[in-house]
Amino acid sequence: QQPVQSPQAVILREGEDAVINCSSSKALYSVHWYRQKHGEAPVFLMILLKGGEQKGHEKISASFNEKKQQSSLYLTASQLSYSGTYFCGTERPYDYKLSFGAGTTVTVRA
Amino acid sequence: EAQVTQNPRYLITVTGKKLTVTCSQNMNHEYMSWYRQDPGLGLRQIYYSMNVEVTDKGDVPEGYKVSRKEKRNFPLILESPSPNQTSLYFCASSKIRAESTEAFFGQGTRLTVV
Repeated sequence: QQPVQSPQAVILREGEDAVINCSSSKALYSVHWYRQKHGEAPVFLMILLKGGEQKGHEKISASFNEKKQQSSLYLTASQLSYSGTYFCGTERPYDYKLSFGAGTTVTVRA
Repeated sequence: EAQVTQNPRYLITVTGKKLTVTCSQNMNHEYMSWYRQDPGLGLRQIYYSMNVEVTDKGDVPEGYKVSRKEKRNFPLILESPSPNQTSLYFCASSKIRAESTEAFFGQGTRLTVV
């Protein structure tokens, strides 16, 4: 029941862009995105509630295709501070169960 | 300060010795949950609770128990821990169906069962 994330890992140089994908086989109410730094708790980035909605956080944005049960996170002009593991979380429409993917490890190098 | 507090942060125990990991939140959130994090597997939900006295199994509930007697507390109980329960555990809380249902995580409990 966990959503599927891809890729598992990505290495970037400062200023490069990346896309992280998240897909579910079940109908979704919302998609969450979190970032976890090494040794710390996951921290909320954004939530997407409507199909096709896009949101942004600094130069990080996301989209949610409700019909396809897919979401993508876009890292634009990456900074060193973007390094970490990104998790998508999917919330079902009929209960409050929030399931997370396996994560995507992003490494940004100078 | 809004926060989720877990205790202990680190715990080493022996197989079969019952233990409890506490979780408390001060945001009056209805929803609380427990996750375990293992390399390559991400965050897997153990149990969740939508409100006091309402709990339900997550994806990996075997070997765990929970209770929700008060809104702020959601302890995780391992009646007879085994080495395969060695993991990093996170408690999280959030509102339900509000405009923003951001989940707040505790700092984690690193459990080692020998």
